[in-house]
Amino acid sequence: DVKVTQSSRYLVKRTGEKVFLECVQDMDHENMFWYRQDPGLGLRLIYFSYDVKMKEKGDIPEGYSVSREKKERFSLILESASTNQTSMYLCATRTFLALTFGSGTRLTVV
Amino acid sequence: GQQLNQSPQSMFIQEGEDVSMNCTSSSIFNTWLWYKQDPGEGPVLLIALYKAGELTSNGRLTAQFGITRKDSFLNISASIPSDVGIYFCAGVYNNNDMRFGAGTRLTVKP
Repeated sequence: DVKVTQSSRYLVKRTGEKVFLECVQDMDHENMFWYRQDPGLGLRLIYFSYDVKMKEKGDIPEGYSVSREKKERFSLILESASTNQTSMYLCATRTFLALTFGSGTRLTVV
Repeated sequence: GQQLNQSPQSMFIQEGEDVSMNCTSSSIFNTWLWYKQDPGEGPVLLIALYKAGELTSNGRLTAQFGITRKDSFLNISASIPSDVGIYFCAGVYNNNDMRFGAGTRLTVKP
């Protein structure tokens, strides 16, 4: 089975901080995704990557950037964290058409 | 982009009852997926549907790909306490365009 590991389950950061959320997958998959999950809004795509050093904007990329230096690692970066970025962040990789998710990182920005 | 309407938003049921939830869209999809998210975890794939009219079962779960390709249904029979969680539908239009519903939060009372 594919394993998607997010380095932190819970994070608390201050407004204005630069925040890194890390995600690692162990199955050599090309496609990786970052979503945020908010109550009543479901999952919204922030960025995705289909290869090393390649990235594409999703539906809500503003305030975020990503890095994919190695195939197994996909990082989400909040350049200057704001309180409206308090959310659950989910990383995923794709197997055929279905996504396999990590356990999520619950980020609180104070 | 295509929007998914998932209903109901939440359900409170007695153990042993059957559950039905659905997703509708104004646009067609080529694949429908159903995920379940346990508290504090990432969503896990339950059922994948690839053909209009397809009916697929996974234990007590049954899902259908609507004939118009604009909707999908998930039924859970004889609910048990571990069915508690959030259920998400997802429609896939092309390889990198996956849309999620807002989720149905299921509570099962023993």
